[in-house]
Amino acid sequence: EPEVTQTPSHQVTQMGQEVILRCVPISNHLYFYWYRQILGQKVEFLVSFYNNEISEKSEIFDDQFSVERPDGSNFTLKIRSTKLEDSAMYFCASTRMNTEAFFGQGTRLTVV
Amino acid sequence: AQSVTQPDIHITVSEGASLELRCNYSYGATPYLFWYVQSPGQGLQLLLKYFSGDTLVQGIKGFEAEFKRSQSSFNLRKPSVHWSDAAEYFCAVGPPVGGGGNKLTFGTGTQLKVEL
Repeated sequence: EPEVTQTPSHQVTQMGQEVILRCVPISNHLYFYWYRQILGQKVEFLVSFYNNEISEKSEIFDDQFSVERPDGSNFTLKIRSTKLEDSAMYFCASTRMNTEAFFGQGTRLTVV
Repeated sequence: AQSVTQPDIHITVSEGASLELRCNYSYGATPYLFWYVQSPGQGLQLLLKYFSGDTLVQGIKGFEAEFKRSQSSFNLRKPSVHWSDAAEYFCAVGPPVGGGGNKLTFGTGTQLKVEL
């Protein structure tokens, strides 16, 4: 069964450093998403991406965040200068049109 | 703005007992509705979904959910819980047909504990 894969599974970074979280969505999917889940809290939408551009973003997704689909398979989330409060589990998801979202296993980001 | 309420933060049931997890939503139209399960340290696995049609939907692992438009609810049920069902359960809503992408709004989750 096709699945969304995320790497790395866990990343520790120092405050102020840049991190790139990587995702390989399901190959015939059209919409790509990043969500995050701060420990003990609910899953929150960050950004959606369609047709090589951002289609929607939340207020969390400020100028420190960017997304890119550098080739036909990868979908990345970059945090330019990490803060302590960026520590969370980050989930990538993908969908076709009007179908359920398939989520990756997540990347646990720890900012120290 | 859309919102999802899961009023029960924690639920404990005995193995073999029945289970109902509550979910209420606020949305401008009938949204797509989902239940996801998250085991510790794991990702989100889809249990079931409602798009249209029969309001009682069956999912994986013996779960079912019923959409009640009049109550804006989508409660998750299982007739007999297994110890392996212990996990966190999230209700989520997404835009209805024609809404393009499928940005989800999640509830705060219900942590299920199963006593042997």
